[in-house]
Amino acid sequence: NAGVTQTPKFRILKIGQSMTLQCTQDMNHNYMYWYRQDPGMGLKLIYYSVGAGITDKGEVPNGYNVSRSTTEDFPLRLELAAPSQTSVYFCASSFDSSYNEQFFGPGTRLTVL
Amino acid sequence: DQQVKQNSPSLSVQEGRISILNCDYTNSMFDYFLWYKKYPAEGPTFLISISSIKDKNEDGRFTVFLNKSAKHLSLHIVPSQPGDSAVYFCAASVPSWGKLQFGAGTQVVVTP
Repeated sequence: NAGVTQTPKFRILKIGQSMTLQCTQDMNHNYMYWYRQDPGMGLKLIYYSVGAGITDKGEVPNGYNVSRSTTEDFPLRLELAAPSQTSVYFCASSFDSSYNEQFFGPGTRLTVL
Repeated sequence: DQQVKQNSPSLSVQEGRISILNCDYTNSMFDYFLWYKKYPAEGPTFLISISSIKDKNEDGRFTVFLNKSAKHLSLHIVPSQPGDSAVYFCAASVPSWGKLQFGAGTQVVVTP
């Protein structure tokens, strides 16, 4: 099992550009999550999904969009990138919402200049 | 509004001694708590968890204590090893929500 994989590992964007961060899990998990981590801060939830076709906003959804067409994939779309979106982005998955830990990908470091 | 707080941003401990990491929470609905460990340029990895029906959970060198009345939990690492040098995040959830709230993390440095 590869677990949770994320691409790309690094990316530099110019202000106003768009991009999609990819996330795939091979554990047949129902729940998937996108977090961002800013320096000295904890992880903030951007969006999450409880299954294919179902997504919901987290704490900091503005400037982002998600879709979940399959169990395995949960891409995060940034439209009109802004310097405030410079961060490290982590995708995670879990089997369900009960007493289960979340498994994290290695992260994508995004810089918006 | 930060519902999970780790008030110590860093901790330095000698190899072989005990590391104690603290975490406070404000939401009394939280009933499942987790600790994650994170190395630079990697994603967080699950370390240990505890549900609110327990006050202690052990896994090898790692023990988590929960004091519900004080809304406080702690992670003890005994003995500390150089490989324990990492950032440790406390997280809490109401399982029916399916979401975790994370603290800001504590950087642990284990010195020889």
